[in-house]
Amino acid sequence: QQQVKQSPQSLIVQKGGIPIINCAYENTAFDYFPWYQQFPGKGPALLIAIRPDVSEKKEGRFTISFNKSAKQFSLHIMDSQPGDSATYFCAASSNTGTASKLTFGTGTRLQVTL
Amino acid sequence: ETGVTQTPRHLVMGMTNKKSLKCEQHLGHNAMYWYKQSAKKPLELMFVYSLEERVENNSVPSRFSPECPNSSHLFLHLHTLQPEDSALYLCASSQELGPNEQFFGPGTRLTVL
Repeated sequence: QQQVKQSPQSLIVQKGGIPIINCAYENTAFDYFPWYQQFPGKGPALLIAIRPDVSEKKEGRFTISFNKSAKQFSLHIMDSQPGDSATYFCAASSNTGTASKLTFGTGTRLQVTL
Repeated sequence: ETGVTQTPRHLVMGMTNKKSLKCEQHLGHNAMYWYKQSAKKPLELMFVYSLEERVENNSVPSRFSPECPNSSHLFLHLHTLQPEDSALYLCASSQELGPNEQFFGPGTRLTVL
């Protein structure tokens, strides 16, 4: 059972465009929603994260929108650049009091063209 | 060295070989993880160690054997693997009871012939 569904699988946008990646979750116990960015040959790197007590979080050109009632969250990349071309993963976890256990989406391969 | 390091970066092994993957974190964390990343599949959590004790084992076949001798080092011992075990194996670390931020290493690309 996949608990975090991510779409689209791949995305191509032009430089300056605003790619949007969507994720939906099922487990209402999730209370932490990070996004990871992965370049070829590298491990995933934490990009931005949100908790369900806020509906939006911005860090630089990256914004997370969170809809608790719909159990959905999305990543928006403003003024996208070719250097943003990477695979993006959403994830979710609940604080069980022990080491955090992240459940990942399947990833979105983003290509930003000139 | 900073962050999370993994060695080797690439490994090719036969089905009868025994090899080990090594992970070291330089972040002062006390929880470490092994993940398997295969094409078109979500990252699969394999093992979790918290304060050097294994707290998670996600039905991983016994041909994978983890070892965590201290909070900075994590090993994954491999033996009699199958071709379908070929994947990128990622190590991560975090601070237990912290903000759930996991920091990943670059991974070991494993090919089983």
